[in-house]
Amino acid sequence: GDSVTQMEGPVTLSEEAFLTINCTYTATGYPSLFWYVQYPGEGLQLLLKATKADDKGSNKGFEATYRKETTSFHLEKGSVQVSDSAVYFCACIGHSNYQLIWGAGTKLIIKP
Amino acid sequence: GAGVSQTPSNKVTEKGKYVELRCDPISGHTALYWYRQSLGQGPEFLIYFQGTGAADDSGLPNDRFFAVRPEGSVSTLKIQRTERGDSAVYLCASSYSGDGDEQFFGPGTRLTVL
Repeated sequence: GDSVTQMEGPVTLSEEAFLTINCTYTATGYPSLFWYVQYPGEGLQLLLKATKADDKGSNKGFEATYRKETTSFHLEKGSVQVSDSAVYFCACIGHSNYQLIWGAGTKLIIKP
Repeated sequence: GAGVSQTPSNKVTEKGKYVELRCDPISGHTALYWYRQSLGQGPEFLIYFQGTGAADDSGLPNDRFFAVRPEGSVSTLKIQRTERGDSAVYLCASSYSGDGDEQFFGPGTRLTVL
């Protein structure tokens, strides 16, 4: 069945460092891909998405490119801030077209 | 007009008891989803409603779990004879059409079964 694998956390970085959180997926067809973020004490929020190969999703300085050849959707940000500290989830919608399949989440800690 | 709301935010119950968890979706959203999130893991799909009907309940773990959405808006997730393993955060989401569109999540209900 469909699945999503993302790098384990926690990931600890200093402010202004470059961030990459790896995500790969297994799904039939052409799934839509998502990154959700969960800030401390808050609910899940959609951060960005991409619906077809080579699409780049972007929001709040974060980017991720849908790479079908490597079945990946890695999250990147050029200069992280303390306020980016949160748990980041990679997810896909596969053949069902409605059921989100989730990675385990990656906790990001940014130190000043 | 606000986002998805869920009540209660926290529920502590004893093993064997019955619980109901409520979800108020965004007005006008026809699709509603329930997920369950255990500590340190991503959410797991439970059930998907399109309007009043459960279009896919394949994620419900067993027959102790049941969900309804009688008027196509508010949904209630019902758990009978709760077990300690049911302890988790139960998340509700809604989307406009259910056709792969963005799902908006509520804050969740943290269920603890003692």
